[in-house]
Amino acid sequence: DAGVTQSPTHLIKTRGQHVTLRCSPISGHKSVSWYQQVLGQGPQFIFQYYEKEERGRGNFPDRFSARQFPNYSSELNVNALLLGDSALYLCASSRPGQAYEQYFGPGTRLTVT
Amino acid sequence: AQKVTQAQTEISVVEKEDVTLDCVYETRDTTYYLFWYKQPPSGELVFLIRRNSFDEQNEISGRYSWNFQKSTSSFNFTITASQVVDSAVYFCALSPSVGNQFYFGTGTSLTVIP
Repeated sequence: DAGVTQSPTHLIKTRGQHVTLRCSPISGHKSVSWYQQVLGQGPQFIFQYYEKEERGRGNFPDRFSARQFPNYSSELNVNALLLGDSALYLCASSRPGQAYEQYFGPGTRLTVT
Repeated sequence: AQKVTQAQTEISVVEKEDVTLDCVYETRDTTYYLFWYKQPPSGELVFLIRRNSFDEQNEISGRYSWNFQKSTSSFNFTITASQVVDSAVYFCALSPSVGNQFYFGTGTSLTVIP
């Protein structure tokens, strides 16, 4: 089975712009979580979605939003980009009822200049 | 509050030495899961092990072993006879049974010198 896929792999944006990151979960997984990993730090939880509904949200500003589609893929949107948004954005998927077993994708590396 | 502390920021060892990576966690939950992940320079998190709070048995997998002690809230990871391919950043993580988000430590960067 294919693992979690994310696109794009790398992205360079300018301050103030908007960005959309995409994630496709493993087949059969209905829950998707997003994490931000700033250089030198551990991943920080941003959102969790299950069955197209937000089920959890970390301590991130409203500039960050996400959604999940009927096929369980997900998008993470960040508005009004700041330099501090430069990070590796990781997506993880899990089976229903097994959110403790998350499979991580390769990440999207976002650079804001 | 949930928290994971990895006090060792960077460790360097010579190939074939043993090395232990420390992890201390905080949680008020009685049911939770602990994890170790490896992150090579490519960035993808590679799952190494998951332990639930009711299973304190130590585990060995090849050159890897894990020591879980609830009394000290620690979940340490030992690599025996380290190899250059073990060089990576290692993360310890906690997932409470409710909420299901992962809480990661800040990671330990391991460099194995040939």
